[in-house]
Amino acid sequence: AQSVSQHNHHVILSEAASLELGCNYSYGGTVNLFWYVQYPGQHLQLLLKYFSGDPLVKGIKGFEAEFIKSKFSFNLRKPSVQWSDTAEYFCAVNAYTGGFKTIFGAGTRLFVKA
Amino acid sequence: EPEVTQTPSHQVTQMGQEVILRCVPISNHLYFYWYRQILGQKVEFLVSFYNNEISEKSEIFDDQFSVERPDGSNFTLKIRSTKLEDSAMYFCASKGERGNEQFFGPGTRLTVL
Repeated sequence: AQSVSQHNHHVILSEAASLELGCNYSYGGTVNLFWYVQYPGQHLQLLLKYFSGDPLVKGIKGFEAEFIKSKFSFNLRKPSVQWSDTAEYFCAVNAYTGGFKTIFGAGTRLFVKA
Repeated sequence: EPEVTQTPSHQVTQMGQEVILRCVPISNHLYFYWYRQILGQKVEFLVSFYNNEISEKSEIFDDQFSVERPDGSNFTLKIRSTKLEDSAMYFCASKGERGNEQFFGPGTRLTVL
């Protein structure tokens, strides 16, 4: 069955620290990969997406992610986090399973200390 | 930029009552979805809808749930007899004929008392 695993459930960083959030997926077909962010009390926002082409994808707010097909991974990175990056981050993959749907990981709660 | 809208933003109901959550997908989209996020948990797929019928549903989407596209613009999720554990954020999403990106609405927070 298709699944998405996020390695860290909670991450605490100081401002200006570098961030890397791990994401691995299990799906045999062609994948479309996403990272969503959910700020406290707000709805899902798309950070970035990978469909094809350059495996290094740049998104909004200085985030980027690298698709490594051989490792089934799509890790999210940011060189220097800010207090305003405090949020929950969800990795997701599109899957065709008779229909078409998005499968989300469990999420990683990031807290950035000022 | 076109976006998915949902109403109401917050719905409070008594256990056993029926609720209808409304979504207006992006106008030229043909695929429609409902997802649920229980507080503190991940976003879970409920159901997908295309060509006026359900194309896939999850185990969560049992007989108390139903979806409908009553007119050309709205897409609704009905919960017939709400339970405490139905309290969650419900997200609607839509997708065009081409392309693989779903566009999510802002969600409806359902609170069952």
